[in-house]
Amino acid sequence: QQQVKQSPQSLIVQKGGISIINCAYENTAFDYFPWYQQFPGKGPALLIAIRPDVSEKKEGRFTISFNKSAKQFSLHIMDSQPGDSATYFCAASGSGGSNYKLTFGKGTLLTVNP
Amino acid sequence: EAQVTQNPRYLITVTGKKLTVTCSQNMNHEYMSWYRQDPGLGLRQIYYSMNVEVTDKGDVPEGYKVSRKEKRNFPLILESPSPNQTSLYFCASSFLRYTEAFFGQGTRLTVV
Repeated sequence: QQQVKQSPQSLIVQKGGISIINCAYENTAFDYFPWYQQFPGKGPALLIAIRPDVSEKKEGRFTISFNKSAKQFSLHIMDSQPGDSATYFCAASGSGGSNYKLTFGKGTLLTVNP
Repeated sequence: EAQVTQNPRYLITVTGKKLTVTCSQNMNHEYMSWYRQDPGLGLRQIYYSMNVEVTDKGDVPEGYKVSRKEKRNFPLILESPSPNQTSLYFCASSFLRYTEAFFGQGTRLTVV
């Protein structure tokens, strides 16, 4: 059972364009939604995260939009740059229990052409 | 520098030969976990640990063992590796819920 669905699988954007990656979740106990960025040969690194008490969070060129009623959240990368080319994972974590497990989407390979 | 260190980075082994992948963090984090990353499947949690001597199964624990004898170390043990355990493995640690999880550089394991 895939609890976090991510789309698209791959995305090609021109330099300066907007990259948009979408995720949907099923578990209403999720209350923490981070996005991780992974470059080839490296481990994932936290990019930006949001809690359900806000609908949007912006850090530089990166924005998370969150729709609690639709159980969806998305990452927007403004003015995309070739250096943003990486795999992006959305994730979710729940408030119950002792496991801080991150449930990941399957990832989106972003390519930004110069 | 805050980091999670995994060793080895690459490993090729044969079916049935016991192996250990080490993980160490220098941030005094209580929570540590292991994930495996497979193409098209994202990252899936294998085991986790809330503190010393406290470990539990994640989503895909079959064929793996862990131990947490010291707070900084969380080794992953494959007692009898099989080809379906060929994967990219990541160790991660974090301090509290809702805080950043730091990942190691990964261990690419091939079982032939």
